[in-house]
Amino acid sequence: GENVEQHPSTLSVQEGDSAVIKCTYSDSASNYFPWYKQELGKGPQLIIDIRSNVGEKKDQRIAVTLNKTAKHFSLHITETQPEDSAVYFCAAPISGTYKYIFGTGTRLKVLA
Amino acid sequence: DSGVTQTPKHLITATGQRVTLRCSPRSGDLSVYWYQQSLDQGLQFLIHYYNGEERAKGNILERFSAQQFPDLHSELNLSSLELGDSALYFCASSVEVGGQVGYTFGSGTRLTVV
Repeated sequence: GENVEQHPSTLSVQEGDSAVIKCTYSDSASNYFPWYKQELGKGPQLIIDIRSNVGEKKDQRIAVTLNKTAKHFSLHITETQPEDSAVYFCAAPISGTYKYIFGTGTRLKVLA
Repeated sequence: DSGVTQTPKHLITATGQRVTLRCSPRSGDLSVYWYQQSLDQGLQFLIHYYNGEERAKGNILERFSAQQFPDLHSELNLSSLELGDSALYFCASSVEVGGQVGYTFGSGTRLTVV
């Protein structure tokens, strides 16, 4: 079945630096990859997604890249700010369903 | 406000008891998914309902059950509660029209079993 691995589990960066979180997936038929941000006491919030026909997508300070051959995708946050501190989850769908397998999460701390 | 409403926000109950968690999906969404998030754990899929019908089950215990009503709200029933059932329970909804889309999550119900 689908498996999603996410690294690192924790990440500390200085304010203004960049942060990169990586995920690998196993199902080559997966075609949509969302990223979620979960702040303390809240539910995960979709922040960006990418479809398999695109290699990169950017939205202001966040970007996602996808390498279908290697079956991995990454979240890039540039010019990090303290409010970026949260847990980030990647996800990949189980092909043929609308069900997602989530990565184990990355706790990002942006140090002021 | 994400548009997905979960009640209650917090629930404290004793072992052996039964509780019901409620979720109202975002307007227009026909699907409801339930996920469990334990301390330091990722999101574990429990069950998926689409327009009133069960579509998929994950690692959901037999003590847990769910249903989706004609007005599309869903309830997750947890019975014979154990200490290990303490967790955050999230529901999410999605459109599922026009291809794969992401979920919209509610703010969760924090269940504490004492």
